[in-house]
Amino acid sequence: DAKTTQPTSMDCAEGRAANLPCNHSTISGNEYVYWYRQIHSQGPQYIIHGLKNNETNEMASLIITEDRKSSTLILPHATLRDTAVYYCIVRPQGAGGTSYGKLTFGQGTILTVHP
Amino acid sequence: DVKVTQSSRYLVKRTGEKVFLECVQDMDHENMFWYRQDPGLGLRLIYFSYDVKMKEKGDIPEGYSVSREKKERFSLILESASTNQTSMYLCASSLGGPGSYGYTFGSGTRLTVV
Repeated sequence: DAKTTQPTSMDCAEGRAANLPCNHSTISGNEYVYWYRQIHSQGPQYIIHGLKNNETNEMASLIITEDRKSSTLILPHATLRDTAVYYCIVRPQGAGGTSYGKLTFGQGTILTVHP
Repeated sequence: DVKVTQSSRYLVKRTGEKVFLECVQDMDHENMFWYRQDPGLGLRLIYFSYDVKMKEKGDIPEGYSVSREKKERFSLILESASTNQTSMYLCASSLGGPGSYGYTFGSGTRLTVV
């Protein structure tokens, strides 16, 4: 699986947009970009994923560059409850059987949202 | 609301005991996973299963085994618990087959081996 690089930590003011970058310069054509977050003492929570088009859901937006070598997760109006570790992961599309595309978690970005 | 339920939130066991960690999902997912999470090491995959009675080793399977007798249940077994298995254990599930799917994680079991 392609490796990802994320900043160790970031700060954001409450109510402002939080933009979390991720570099994945060795990403392959069939690999998706996934974002998860983990709030203290809880299991990771799926946020969003995409292949090459920008994606948006009720939690966040995902912007993937045209060359797919980097992406940005955007939390449009950060709240204190968004304070968490955010993981950017790339994995291939599942093909059934053993080719399921496992998730390999890095160290992630610690996002702290301040009042 | 879809769920992955882990049987215990906190567990304390003695060295040498056989330990069972249970995970149940109600989403009819094909794939299930066991991770452990340690400070500075992140999440590491122990075992996964893509079908009933099927299992595959992850990155750190030593000292662990698994059982998947029913689609909804995936058990992690520590045959003889040791202090270096003190950790947070996380179960996850996902749809299988072709396509891209997110994982749903349980809340975790914090195991302490004394």
